[in-house]
Amino acid sequence: EPEVTQTPSHQVTQMGQEVILRCVPISNHLYFYWYRQILGQKVEFLVSFYNNEISEKSEIFDDQFSVERPDGSNFTLKIRSTKLEDSAMYFCARGTSGGDTQYFGPGTRLTVL
Amino acid sequence: AQTVTQSQPEMSVQEAETVTLSCTYDTSESDYYLFWYKQPPSRQMILVIRQEAYKQQNATENRFSVNFQKAAKSFSLKISDSQLGDAAMYFCAYLEETSGSRLTFGEGTQLTVNP
Repeated sequence: EPEVTQTPSHQVTQMGQEVILRCVPISNHLYFYWYRQILGQKVEFLVSFYNNEISEKSEIFDDQFSVERPDGSNFTLKIRSTKLEDSAMYFCARGTSGGDTQYFGPGTRLTVL
Repeated sequence: AQTVTQSQPEMSVQEAETVTLSCTYDTSESDYYLFWYKQPPSRQMILVIRQEAYKQQNATENRFSVNFQKAAKSFSLKISDSQLGDAAMYFCAYLEETSGSRLTFGEGTQLTVNP
């Protein structure tokens, strides 16, 4: 079952720069999530998004991060002023309802130099 | 806060044999979901199997089955007739039954399949 696509697959940026990671759902899903995985570590929740609003965010999701769905289709994660420790794999996931199975996109590998 | 623990950082199995990966979790909720996800070297997160806490019957998906022990808060994954393509990192995950809730993952178990 096709889930979501993510662009870019790999992003390299300089410390202090802003990056935007994109998630494109294949069909009309309502619930979206961002997770990150630092290399060699477990997957961590960042934020959930429903009906164009944040429904839950973790302690990791501070003012450096923001999410939006500007055109009703793409779901974006913006990281302002990137830090070295932001280097990680970022996954978008989608669900059709709360409590439903979350299906993951292929991820974007972010490298901050 | 919910926690998920996978006590086996690494496991190995011979091709065609059976292996069981362990997972325990901690929650005060009675309704929730449990999952196993597979992460091959490509790092894609692939759903393997899902279990609803209200169901007593253990979930099965082809060669993959779970042993769900609600009282013990245990959720192990059994892989039968292991194949080389099963080699991956396996993550156990917990999900509350509320809208927009987060998946909480364990640390993962790296499975090696020996030919």
